[in-house]
Amino acid sequence: GQNIDQPTEMTATEGAIVQINCTYQTSGFNGLFWYQQHAGEAPTFLSYNVLDGLEEKGRFSSFLSRSKGYSYLLLKELQMKDSASYLCAVLDSNYQLIWGAGTKLIIKP
Amino acid sequence: DAGITQSPRHKVTETGTPVTLRCHQTENHRYMYWYRQDPGHGLRLIHYSYGVKDTDKGEVSDGYSVSRSKTEDFLLTLESATSSQTSVYFCAISEGQGHTDTQYFGPGTRLTVL
Repeated sequence: GQNIDQPTEMTATEGAIVQINCTYQTSGFNGLFWYQQHAGEAPTFLSYNVLDGLEEKGRFSSFLSRSKGYSYLLLKELQMKDSASYLCAVLDSNYQLIWGAGTKLIIKP
Repeated sequence: DAGITQSPRHKVTETGTPVTLRCHQTENHRYMYWYRQDPGHGLRLIHYSYGVKDTDKGEVSDGYSVSRSKTEDFLLTLESATSSQTSVYFCAISEGQGHTDTQYFGPGTRLTVL
């Protein structure tokens, strides 16, 4: 079966750095997405990786290792507004998006 | 903003009644999707459409049907709602011409089936 694993919940301090990991086992791979979802709202797109390596976008960076079936989202200079769930999703060989259950990130002052 | 709206935003209904949710987009996107989101689960695809009158099933399509008679509207129907269909339903569009393109989501509909 297809599987996306993320930690259920993480806690970090305002101003710090946090890394949210995602491991996947899917039938094929056509890219990996990260989305942010605030409570009661829709998911919003953060990043897309299809090649190995690090993609940096402001305070957020996303890393991919296809050989290890692994990605992480790195959030720097954490702000209270970063408190949200972070969803990892993989596009499989049938071009279907397979979603992880999400990681709830709690930011403390 | 991908110009996606969903209606209604909230609905409470009773078991056995039919329910239709509407997704409306203003930017002529070809691909549209219906997902459900439940605690402890990732988003799960119900149905998707790749053009007017062109639809296909997703992972959890049982008990749901869809229609797309116009590019801008994608309807999700629960023919006879059950309590297991209590969920938050999200519509999404794909900005490009295929599944590899980023999906953008509507605001969601919270459905409660009593």
